[in-house]
This record gives sequence, structure tokens and C-alpha cells, in this order.
Amino acid sequence: SQQGEEDPQALSIQEGENATMNCSYKTSINNLQWYRQNSGRGLVHLILIRSNEREKHSGRLRVTLDTSKKSSSLLITASRAADTASYFCATDLTGYSTLTFGKGTMLLVSP
Amino acid sequence: SQTIHQWPATLVQPVGSPLSLECTVEGTSNPNLYWYRQAAGRGLQLLFYSVGIGQISSEVPQNLSASRPQDRQFILSSKKLLLSDSGFYLCAWGQEGNQPQHFGDGTRLSIL
Repeated sequence: SQQGEEDPQALSIQEGENATMNCSYKTSINNLQWYRQNSGRGLVHLILIRSNEREKHSGRLRVTLDTSKKSSSLLITASRAADTASYFCATDLTGYSTLTFGKGTMLLVSP
Repeated sequence: SQTIHQWPATLVQPVGSPLSLECTVEGTSNPNLYWYRQAAGRGLQLLFYSVGIGQISSEVPQNLSASRPQDRQFILSSKKLLLSDSGFYLCAWGQEGNQPQHFGDGTRLSIL
């Protein structure tokens, strides 16, 4: 499979802690995107990082990209209960005309 | 601003019945349009995408079809539903290339 694979599949933390999710992929990319999905809802785009970028920030989100290891990480700092959701990485693979989504990491933040 | 509408939110259909799910986008022109299916606890499976009116690309052979009769309208259809068609169907739009996609709220389809 060419799709990104998130790790871990599930993560349970307390409010205030940091949450780190990882995504690995197999071929070269143009960009990598992270999305969030609340239960029973559509996905919401969080952040896009291009293949020539190594780190990006957006509020409490920090995304890193290591193209040599074909991996990315999403860090959510100072987690809140409202961050409870599934998080997906999506890769824009070179030579493909559509995004390829992983299976997601389910994050549970307890008050 | 751009918005995407997808309906219905939930649908219960008997096996063998037809299906029509509709998705419309407002506030943008010539978007790329996508239909995905998501099984419980799984990632997204791309079913169809369209880069223009009447242009449909199918990613997975199945008994579903898609049409784009207008620039901002995308329809997912089936003539006879199977039990395996149950799932959460998501419509999305994006600009050219693999730029961020914007999703509707999905349709939960249950086949009895």
C-alpha cells in the first residue's frame, strides 16, 4: 500500500499533556497534510507541509517532516478535551493525482 | 466563503434498492470534487473524483457510479445496493492539484 500509516492507532492522555502522532509513507511526496475528524463528522484540514519544509506551526499544532525517513509527526501541545478526535495524515504522492489517506489515530483527551 | 452541502445526513435502505447522494459546493468555481467511503474505524477510501463537468475518474470497481451534471454538483448513485455498500460517505472539494480538501458532514448509509 502507498498510503500513509499513522501511529499509534489510539492515544489516551490527560488534559494539559502533549499528544504526538506519527505518519509514515513509502514513496516521494509533494506535500503531506493533516486532518482532524470529530466523531460522525467530515474531515477538517489542519495543516499542509511541503516536501521542502521541515517544520510548520499553527497555534498549538506543530508538524515536522523528515523526507529521508519518509515520516511526519503531529504534535498537539497542552491538549484539551475538545481535541478528542481522529487525526489523519494524507499524502500528495508524486505521480498521483489524488491524496492518499491513512487509517488515522484516535485521540482521547480526558479532563 | 466556500461551503459544501451534503445530504441526507443518514439513510437506511433495503438491499437491492437504488441510491442517490448529492453534494453541492458554493462560493468557488471549477472545483475538483471527490467521493470517499469510510468504514467504521478505518481510513478513507477514494471512490470517484472529478476535475470538471462530465469528467469522472473511478478509483475502485464497484456497483456505484458518480456524475457531475453541473460545475458544483456531484452525485453518487447505485442502481442496486449491496450490504457491503454500508458506510459513511463523504464528499469533498479542492482546488487544482492536491491542495487541501474541504469535506461535507457525510452521509451515514445503512443497508438492511
